This record gives sequence, structure tokens and C-alpha cells, in this order.
Amino acid sequence: AQKVTQAQTEISVVEKEDVTLDCVYETRDTTYYLFWYKQPPSGELVFLIRRNSFDEQNEISGRYSWNFQKSTSSFNFTITASQVVDSAVYFCALSGGNTGANSKLTFGKGITLSVRP
Amino acid sequence: SQTIHQWPATLVQPVGSPLSLECTVEGTSNPNLYWYRQAAGRGLQLLFYSVGIGQISSEVPQNLSASRPQDRQFILSSKKLLLSDSGFYLCAWNDWDGYTFGSGTRLTVV
Repeated sequence: AQKVTQAQTEISVVEKEDVTLDCVYETRDTTYYLFWYKQPPSGELVFLIRRNSFDEQNEISGRYSWNFQKSTSSFNFTITASQVVDSAVYFCALSGGNTGANSKLTFGKGITLSVRP
Repeated sequence: SQTIHQWPATLVQPVGSPLSLECTVEGTSNPNLYWYRQAAGRGLQLLFYSVGIGQISSEVPQNLSASRPQDRQFILSSKKLLLSDSGFYLCAWNDWDGYTFGSGTRLTVV
């Protein structure tokens, strides 16, 4: 069975601080995909990144960066110089594939990030 | 381009009333379709998924059912709503490029 653990439930930072959101996953699949989604107060899920299990290269997109480490089964997300607009719930998710029954997403419980001005 | 439509956006229903939430997808064929629920202050839980017309898999026992009468239509239903059915319901589909979520339906059972 697949499992995603986001041990942090709520994080509060002051604007311009860096913040790291942790994600630890469990799976028996050799091929899998990891995701991060942002859920602003309006409720919709905004896709941030997808990473497959064969690509351990870290990724940077503007103020966002992701650190994927298979050795520790972690896929952590860092926001540099946080802004008030970053306030949202952030979900880490895992799937076993792109098609068929393996494609269903397993979500962590989410981390509520509050960025204070 | 692919789009996903989900309605209604909000719904307030009395206990014991029926429910029908609809989700349709455009710009793709034979997508995998999903219904997720987010209870207040909690994460997203997969309720149902479908890999084809008439093929429904249920992830958790509950008061809800799902149907897929057409390739790009996914319906979530209940004959009699319970208070515990309140939550935020999201429809989603996926292909090789990833997942797309609908804008969600916020259901309040009173």
C-alpha cells in the first residue's frame, strides 16, 4: 500500500523567510510519481510539480525548489523568500503510474502555511 | 486543450435528501476519472476511480456511489445524505502528462 506522510500540520513564518515543507512516502513500486499541489483558500488544487522515481535531480522554479531523495524516501519542498500569497495548504501526493488502477493519487494530509506580513 | 467541468460549486442539502454531482471532461478520450473528498481540516481521500465506461472502483465503504455513463462523464450520487457527507468534493482526470482537478463542490449537509 502507498502512504504519504506530511508530519508538519501548520507552519507560520514571517514574509521573506525561507520555509521547507517535508514529505515522506512509502511504496513498493519501482516506478512511481511524486507531486506537490497548492490549495489556496478558494479550494482549487494548483499543480506545482511532478517528479518520476527515476529522476532524482533537484528542481528549482523561481522561489520554489524541490529536493527528491530516494535513499530517505523524501520529497521536500522549499519556498525561498516567502510571500503572503504563498499562504495556502500544500499537499504532497504519490501515484504508481500514469494509467490504469495504479494511477490513483495518494495524498498526504496537507500542511497549512501561513505567511505573515 | 483539456478542461474539466464540475458543478455545482456550492450545495446545501438537508439530511436524507439525494445528491448528484456531475463532472465532465473535454479534449481527451478514455481518461481515468476520480472523485476525491476533503473533509473540513483534513486531507484528500480518494472515493472512486474509473478507468472506463461503466467501470467503477470504490476505495472506501460509504454512503455514496459513482457512475460513468459516458466516456467523459463521471457522476457522484447518494440516495440519502448524512451529515458526515459534508465536505469538498473534487473531480479529477489524468493522462500521461499528469492530473487535472475540477474547481470542486462544497457540500454542506444540514
